[in-house]
Amino acid sequence: QKEVEQNSGPLSVPEGAIASLNCTYSDRGSQSFFWYRQYSGKSPELIMFIYSNGDKEDGRFTAQLNKASQYVSLLIRDSQPSDSATYLCAVKGGGFKTIFGAGTRLFVKA
Amino acid sequence: DAGVTQSPTHLIKTRGQQVTLRCSPISGHKSVSWYQQVLGQGPQFIFQYYEKEERGRGNFPDRFSARQFPNYSSELNVNALLLGDSALYLCASSLGYQGDTIYFGEGSWLTVV
Repeated sequence: QKEVEQNSGPLSVPEGAIASLNCTYSDRGSQSFFWYRQYSGKSPELIMFIYSNGDKEDGRFTAQLNKASQYVSLLIRDSQPSDSATYLCAVKGGGFKTIFGAGTRLFVKA
Repeated sequence: DAGVTQSPTHLIKTRGQQVTLRCSPISGHKSVSWYQQVLGQGPQFIFQYYEKEERGRGNFPDRFSARQFPNYSSELNVNALLLGDSALYLCASSLGYQGDTIYFGEGSWLTVV
């Protein structure tokens, strides 16, 4: 079992729709959860982090965390073509390393 | 403020050669992590250094080594390069090393021929 699992996609949504990206993790001791966006040929950039169960909103982005289900999600409202990228879910326990999923490719069709 | 800076951005090496990649963290950050990302995969953890000491090592062979300097910059060395070492090498910095958010540099693209 992979430590952080994501559907590789591609996930295709029309412009203006809500994109829903999901992630599960295996370590119940995980404490910090992150979403990074990576454009083709570029390095990952941080979108959001979440530490507590529930929802956290930042502009068009909402991160959702359910520790009991070991599940993290990212919702992108009013999706734009510029949101087309690979979205990486990352998880950190009490230790030193951040573990990444393989990423979900998102395409937003104009 | 400057972000994480890495050099070189692109390089081509021959099998069997050695390569050194360099990284300067965000000002005030004391921890540097190195990741390898091959096409179609997420970043894979190689090393973390904090206060000039190795704090963690991923599942990579001994050909990979790193160090952190007193100014918190870091170098990643890879010896006896293999074709499979071709990847994007990412440096990330954070304030501390437990629980902190990591911020990536632009990466170093290594091609081994």
